[in-house]
Amino acid sequence: GAVVSQHPSWVICKSGTSVKIECRSLDFQATTMFWYRQFPKQSLMLMATSNEGSKATYEQGVEKDKFLINHASLTLSTLTVTSAHPEDSSFYICSATNWQGAMSYEQYFGPGTRLTVT
Amino acid sequence: LAKTTQPISMDSYEGQEVNITCSHNNIATNDYITWYQQFPSQGPRFIIQGYKTKVTNEVASLFIPADRKSSTLSLPRVSLSDTAVYYCLVGDNKAAGNKLTFGGGTRVLVKP
Repeated sequence: GAVVSQHPSWVICKSGTSVKIECRSLDFQATTMFWYRQFPKQSLMLMATSNEGSKATYEQGVEKDKFLINHASLTLSTLTVTSAHPEDSSFYICSATNWQGAMSYEQYFGPGTRLTVT
Repeated sequence: LAKTTQPISMDSYEGQEVNITCSHNNIATNDYITWYQQFPSQGPRFIIQGYKTKVTNEVASLFIPADRKSSTLSLPRVSLSDTAVYYCLVGDNKAAGNKLTFGGGTRVLVKP
C-alpha cells in the first residue's frame, strides 16, 4: 500500500515550452502533496506544499508563476514548468502524506521525473 | 525545522555493519526521526522511524539516546545493493502538512 506514481518518468523538451508532471497517490487519499527538485549529486530541495482544493504554498525563492501546481483531487497533483529553460533541467520528485493512525502521518515519495530542457 | 548533520560519505565492505550517526541538536518535542534511502534517479524510500530508544525492523535499527540530540542508523551486514544515499530527517509527523527538510545525506559505498 501507499504507492505514489509520477508521469512521465522522463521528458525532454525545447527551451520555451511548458511541461506538466503528474503525481498520483494510487491507493490512498493524499490531503497534502509536496514537490521537490534535486540537482545532480545534491539533496532534495522542497519547492512547494500542495493541499487539495487550495493554492500551493511555495518555498522562498521558488517562482510560483513558473512552477504552477494544481491539486484538484485527493489523488492527483500536477506541476507545470512554464517556459522551461535549460537551468530548469532537474529531477523532480513528489511525495504524499497518508494518515497512519495513532495520530501520525507518513510521507511517501514518487519515483521522480527527469526533466531535460534543450 | 530542526537541522540535521550527517557525515558526507562512508565506505564499507560487504557483510559489514554500517552505522551512520546524525546530529539534530534542535529537535523539538513532537519531532520524530526518520531515515530514507535513495538510489540514483529514484525517489527516497522510507527505511525506519523512531521517537526514542531503539527501533528495529527487517532492514535496519535506529538508536536514539535519551536526549534525542542524535540518532544512529545501523545497517547490518550490508551488501553491494545497499550503496545509496541515506538521509536523516526530523519532523512532526502529527501534522498533515509537515514539511521535511533534507540535509546533505550520507553517501554510502559498499565495496566487494
